[in-house]
Amino acid sequence: NSKVIQTPRYLVKGQGQKAKMRCIPEKGHPVVFWYQQNKNNEFKFLINFQNQEVLQQIDMTEKRFSAECPSNSPCSLEIQSSEAGDSALYLCASRRDSNTEVFFGKGTRLTVV
Amino acid sequence: QQKVQQSPESLIVPEGGMASLNCTSSDRNVDYFWWYRQHSGKSPKMLMSIFSNGEKEEGRFTVHLNKASLHTSLHIRDSQPSDSALYLCAASKTSGSWQLIFGSGTQLTVMP
Repeated sequence: NSKVIQTPRYLVKGQGQKAKMRCIPEKGHPVVFWYQQNKNNEFKFLINFQNQEVLQQIDMTEKRFSAECPSNSPCSLEIQSSEAGDSALYLCASRRDSNTEVFFGKGTRLTVV
Repeated sequence: QQKVQQSPESLIVPEGGMASLNCTSSDRNVDYFWWYRQHSGKSPKMLMSIFSNGEKEEGRFTVHLNKASLHTSLHIRDSQPSDSALYLCAASKTSGSWQLIFGSGTQLTVMP
């Protein structure tokens, strides 16, 4: 069973508000991912970290999101100014190395009203 | 364009029947394929992974991989209503960003 912990489970924000979600990866997993799953079940990769360093991120994340994975603290993903199109399930995941399973948290469902 | 294509988008099979799901990557640099299952309202959980040509079986689930065509398929025999879920195929590279590139999934419904 996955031990990736995400909080909060649900988040409701108004347009223009900040929206912050957190993730504690599974112990011993140095690589952390954030994905966005929309209402059509499509996955969009947002960003990943190896330990505290960003490995890769998409343009949208760089421009509109703030993300970090500090040592000894939960990882976080924050939308600086929420838009209606940001309403989605945000999934955090972690893995031990490049050949092993990716474990997902239960997600944070963001609704932007 | 989606780099991992799955078909069909949805599939209905009777209880006890065989479900066959397909997945192809257009990125020739991938070398690992993963099948995840996501029940409604839940997080994705890995079913099986494969990186060698051929077939791998675990219980009622069989995965095939053709590395030349970058095509993988998942077959579920003796399908059960509890198998009803979204089945996601993902591809990854063993070097680089380590991310999994997901397809849009096949929604499987097993009718009792």
